[in-house]
Amino acid sequence: GNSVTQMEGPVTLSEEAFLTINCTYTATGYPSLFWYVQYPGEGLQLLLKATKADDKGSNKGFEATYRKETTSFHLEKGSVQVSDSAVYFCALLFLMNYGGATNKLIFGTGTLLAVQP
Amino acid sequence: DGGITQSPKYLFRKEGQNVTLSCEQNLNHDAMYWYRQDPGQGLRLIYYSQIVNDFQKGDIAEGYSVSREKKESFPLTVTSAQKNPTAFYLCASSSSGGQPQHFGDGTRLSIL
Repeated sequence: GNSVTQMEGPVTLSEEAFLTINCTYTATGYPSLFWYVQYPGEGLQLLLKATKADDKGSNKGFEATYRKETTSFHLEKGSVQVSDSAVYFCALLFLMNYGGATNKLIFGTGTLLAVQP
Repeated sequence: DGGITQSPKYLFRKEGQNVTLSCEQNLNHDAMYWYRQDPGQGLRLIYYSQIVNDFQKGDIAEGYSVSREKKESFPLTVTSAQKNPTAFYLCASSSSGGQPQHFGDGTRLSIL
């Protein structure tokens, strides 16, 4: 079946440190992959996406590359800030019905990132 | 600005009571979804709807009900049959099938 596995948190870093949050997936076919971010008390915001193998998604200094050979989509940032403290979710998307509007997101369990000044 | 509005932000339920969570979107999206989030877990799909007057059960539909009378609105009712309703509930919507889902800010439901 389809599933997503994320590294467990919390991840605690000092400001300006390098961030990696690992994400691997199991899927049939060729899903799209996403990273969502959730700030305390809020909903999820789309951070970045990749729709096919070797695509690199990037946004706000975060990057992730769709690696089909290793079934991975690791999130990276070169220099984290206190404002990056949040929960990060890796997710894969596949269509629930061909030609329709509905899709299904399979989420990892989330990784809490805490950045200290 | 287009977006998804969930209300209320906090909701309390008494034993044996049904409560309804509101979700409205002005993104003109066809599909809408309800998720439940528990601490330390990912999101789990409760119900989804592709078009008006049509909806399907997700992975954990028992104890919940929905309606889709308008394209913009997809309310979720947590019934008394849901024995563990305390959770954070998130509504989402999407346009065409390959597009990512957009989320509201959630409703936190607690039991009195």
